[in-house]
Amino acid sequence: GQQLNQSPQSMFIQEGEDVSMNCTSSSIFNTWLWYKQDPGEGPVLLIALYKAGELTSNGRLTAQFGTTRKDSFLNISASIPSDVGIYFCAVNFGNEKLTFGTGTRLTIIP
Amino acid sequence: GAVVSQHPSRVICKSGTSVKIECRSLDFQATTMFWYRQFPKQSLMLMATSNEGSKATYEQGVEKDKFLINHASLTLSTLTVTSAHPEDSSFYICSASVSNYGYTFGSGTRLTVV
Repeated sequence: GQQLNQSPQSMFIQEGEDVSMNCTSSSIFNTWLWYKQDPGEGPVLLIALYKAGELTSNGRLTAQFGTTRKDSFLNISASIPSDVGIYFCAVNFGNEKLTFGTGTRLTIIP
Repeated sequence: GAVVSQHPSRVICKSGTSVKIECRSLDFQATTMFWYRQFPKQSLMLMATSNEGSKATYEQGVEKDKFLINHASLTLSTLTVTSAHPEDSSFYICSASVSNYGYTFGSGTRLTVV
């Protein structure tokens, strides 16, 4: 089946550092979504992207819809402890079903 | 707005018994809901699409007789794990598609089968 590969798989950073992660696919999509999942919770939407090349911010988070439409990027600036969690990209195959990426686990080292 | 409430948040059951998980849309009507399963350190995998008033559609490899889905009203979908076994232990999450909000997710149910 379709697969969204996220990189890196995990990150260990210090508070205050910037974070970059990406999501790639072999297929073209019209929408890219970024979610964050806290431990023991459901995912929460961070940013939605609808146009190739689009750059959208949500506070300290910035996401970009890749120009090839096969990838997307998420950046977090000046990380804080509450940024800890798992970040997932997701796409819609046009049938309302969401497919999630493999996830990037973010840990902040004290 | 667009809140999905999932219950229970945690459940422990004995092997061979059945467990029901509820997913409610609190402030909107959901003709379609989705059920996902997430194993530790893995991504969310779609199990089935729950359709109000009709049969659920299951993803390939998901046993429909084991994971019974009922969507009898526009605000409630239930997932029943029948004859649960330890390998069914997982984190189950429901979601709904909401116009202008995209997809909203429940808080998940941690099922442990002992």
